[in-house]
Amino acid sequence: GAVVSQHPSRVICKSGTSVKIECRSLDFQATTMFWYRQFPKQSLMLMATSNEGSKATYEQGVEKDKFLINHASLTLSTLTVTSAHPEDSSFYICSARWDSPRETQYFGPGTRLLVL
Amino acid sequence: GQNIDQPTEMTATEGAIVQINCTYQTSGFNGLFWYQQHAGEAPTFLSYNVLDGLEEKGRFSSFLSRSKGYSYLLLKELQMKDSASYLCAVRDSGTYKYIFGTGTRLKVLA
Repeated sequence: GAVVSQHPSRVICKSGTSVKIECRSLDFQATTMFWYRQFPKQSLMLMATSNEGSKATYEQGVEKDKFLINHASLTLSTLTVTSAHPEDSSFYICSARWDSPRETQYFGPGTRLLVL
Repeated sequence: GQNIDQPTEMTATEGAIVQINCTYQTSGFNGLFWYQQHAGEAPTFLSYNVLDGLEEKGRFSSFLSRSKGYSYLLLKELQMKDSASYLCAVRDSGTYKYIFGTGTRLKVLA
């Protein structure tokens, strides 16, 4: 149990385009999902908390208009990087919160974004 | 403020035992997690402590002392595949967010 998928696993795009990343909990329902960004040799930095049926909560310094999050169902959250720039190149990882047997976050495999 | 400290790198020999320490200072505490992350991959859950003491899970054990703001991950009978980064994360009691340390890169040598 507690499998989380992410799609795509890798994407290369031109500067100025938008990229959508999907995060799915495959065998459980997740009312809360999290989006992280990780730069090389650094730890995970929380970008936002995604709650099903309501607006996402963004961390300080994260532009909500640039990183659009939609949590339309209990198994799917999407992150759209709008008007991507080279500095947005990073490893984006989602996690889903599962409360059985105890509340734990389970991570998706990550999406490596390269903006040229 | 929120602060989690781990050693940056450690090296150990195959078959040996290694202890990775984590100290934390957070405004609220509701559990400490250890994750393993291989290069280029997402973290995988290893262990969880919310009460003081030792939690054992096969070759991996994790210890917590809440009064000292201290935890360690103990890896026994090291294997080459254990070479990875090990992330310590504290769950904040108010927000339920996870605050991650910078991770400890462990190299296991033959």
